[in-house]
Parts: sequence; C-alpha cells; structure tokens
Amino acid sequence: DAKTTQPTSMDCAEGRAANLPCNHSTISGNEYVYWYRQIHSQGPQYIIHGLKNNETNEMASLIITEDRKSSTLILPHATLRDTAVYYCIVRSYGGATNKLIFGTGTLLAVQP
Amino acid sequence: EAGVAQSPRYKIIEKRQSVAFWCNPISGHATLYWYQQILGQGPKLLIQFQNNGVVDDSQLPKDRFSAERLKGVDSTLKIQPAKLEDSAVYLCASSPLRGRGNEQFFGPGTRLTVL
Repeated sequence: DAKTTQPTSMDCAEGRAANLPCNHSTISGNEYVYWYRQIHSQGPQYIIHGLKNNETNEMASLIITEDRKSSTLILPHATLRDTAVYYCIVRSYGGATNKLIFGTGTLLAVQP
Repeated sequence: EAGVAQSPRYKIIEKRQSVAFWCNPISGHATLYWYQQILGQGPKLLIQFQNNGVVDDSQLPKDRFSAERLKGVDSTLKIQPAKLEDSAVYLCASSPLRGRGNEQFFGPGTRLTVL
C-alpha cells in the first residue's frame, strides 16, 4: 500500500471550513483514499473514501487531484467536537486482507 | 445498532504477568480485527479474523501474543508474559463482508499499562 504524508497539526476556527491535506504520490491505479478520525480516548471512526472522483457525505467532502497524487478532506463547518487526529490512508479495495495502515495523522484543533 | 464492545477499559499489570482482553463485534460482522496503538502513533494491525479463521497475523508477536475467535463471534487477545513495551491501547474493530468502503467499526479500546 502507498505511503501518505500529512501535516502533524493544524488549527481551525469554529464555524470555518477545515481543509486537511494529504500527499500520496506513489498511489497506484487500484488504490483508494480513505479518511478516518480518532477523537481523544475513542477508537478511529470512518469518514469517507474515494478513488478519483470527488466525494461528499454527511460528514465531509473529499477532493482528489486529477493525477491522484494528493487529496484534501474538507469539514465544511468545523465544530469543537471535530477536534481529533485525522488519518489519511491509501489501500486497495476488497480482497481477503482489509488491513488499514495508519500513519501518525494530523491533529486538528478547532478553536472557539 | 450496538457498537463494538471491549472489556476491560483499563488494565494495569506488572511485567511478566498475563492479561486477556475481550471483544464483542457488531452483530453479523464476519471480520474482526485487533490493533495495537502505542502512545503518539497510529493503530497497527495485530491480527484479522474472517469468521473464525485467521486472515492476517503477520504483525502478531506470536511468542507472547495469542488470539482466538471461537464460533466466529467474540474474540479474546492474550499476552503472556507481558513486557514494558506492550503498554498501549488495544483496539478491536469489525466489518461486514460487504459494506460501505469496507468500513471498519472500532471499539473504545483497552488501555494496558505494564509496570
């Protein structure tokens, strides 16, 4: 699975959009981009995933560049409850092994 | 629906002692995972079960760690004997065979401190 690079930490003002970048320059054609987040003292939580088209769900939007070498997770209106570590993960879809390889993620601190 | 349940939530033991963690996945989820999360790091997969068979245990230190999933439902993870470097949060996750993006659902974890 391809490696990802994320900033160690970011700040965002409450009510503003939070834009979390991720670089995955070695991504291969059959690999998806996944985002999970981990709020303090909880297990990770799935947010969204995509292959090459932009995706949106009730939690966030995922923008993937045309060359698929980077992506941005967007939380449109960040709240204090969005303070968490956000993990960008690249992996193949399906198959018997469904392993998630987590890096160290980005600590997003939403400020009041 | 009920989430992934884990117990205990916290455990403190001395090195060379044994410890066991229990996980009850979401009903109907065929796949169960155990992850180890050391402070400041992301979770690392230890073992993956599909029903009661092992799919991946390549990162499990088999000289001291063991896991089982009898009857394809609940699972236990055991450490015997524990070392100081085993201090971590042990996370259990489950996923259905076919779901949104192979989404994994995580429990709250068991925080283990080895003194």
